[in-house]
Amino acid sequence: SQTIHQWPATLVQPVGSPLSLECTVEGTSNPNLYWYRQAAGRGLQLLFYSVGIGQISSEVPQNLSASRPQDRQFILSSKKLLLSDSGFYLCAWSVHGGDLMTLSYNEQFFGPGTRLTVL
Amino acid sequence: RKEVEQDPGPFNVPEGATVAFNCTYSNSASQSFFWYRQDCRKEPKLLMSVYSSGNEDGRFTAQLNRASQYISLLIRDSKLSDSATYLCVVIGTGGSYIPTFGRGTSLIVHP
Repeated sequence: SQTIHQWPATLVQPVGSPLSLECTVEGTSNPNLYWYRQAAGRGLQLLFYSVGIGQISSEVPQNLSASRPQDRQFILSSKKLLLSDSGFYLCAWSVHGGDLMTLSYNEQFFGPGTRLTVL
Repeated sequence: RKEVEQDPGPFNVPEGATVAFNCTYSNSASQSFFWYRQDCRKEPKLLMSVYSSGNEDGRFTAQLNRASQYISLLIRDSKLSDSATYLCVVIGTGGSYIPTFGRGTSLIVHP
């Protein structure tokens, strides 16, 4: 069966510090991978998605970046955190659809999330 | 108009009640629809997909109304453990195939 891991579970960082959140998936190959952020009392905001190694698409302009150095590894980074970066960061995967069309038919499965507080 | 809208609630119901949530979407070309459940401070978990013909899983029934552009979730015989936030997801909005999540509807089931 497939599992998805995220770490750390919680993180408190000062403004201006760097960030690196990691997500790994087991039990599947070539998944589509996603990073979401959920601010307190708000909906899920898609930040990045990836359909393959080295392929990253950004959904919103921000001071965050993402990388996919290996098939089942997705990393979210920042060089300098802002207060507004606080939130619940969720990684998700879905079965690889091969292209954007088939991407649409596959449900997503989420990791346990990282709760980030920027002070 | 927001792409995907849900009544945030909370819906406060007694155990055993039947409760229904709707989720409206703006793009008539939307392709796929799902309901997720999210417990407090936890990740969303897939509850069920929503098919054109509707689908049922135990006490849960999901339906799609393309003409009026909404999906619904019906929960029968509510349990205390059903208390959570229910998120609807629509794929294929605004010309994109990226999932769009609603903000969720909060359900509180009390004894």
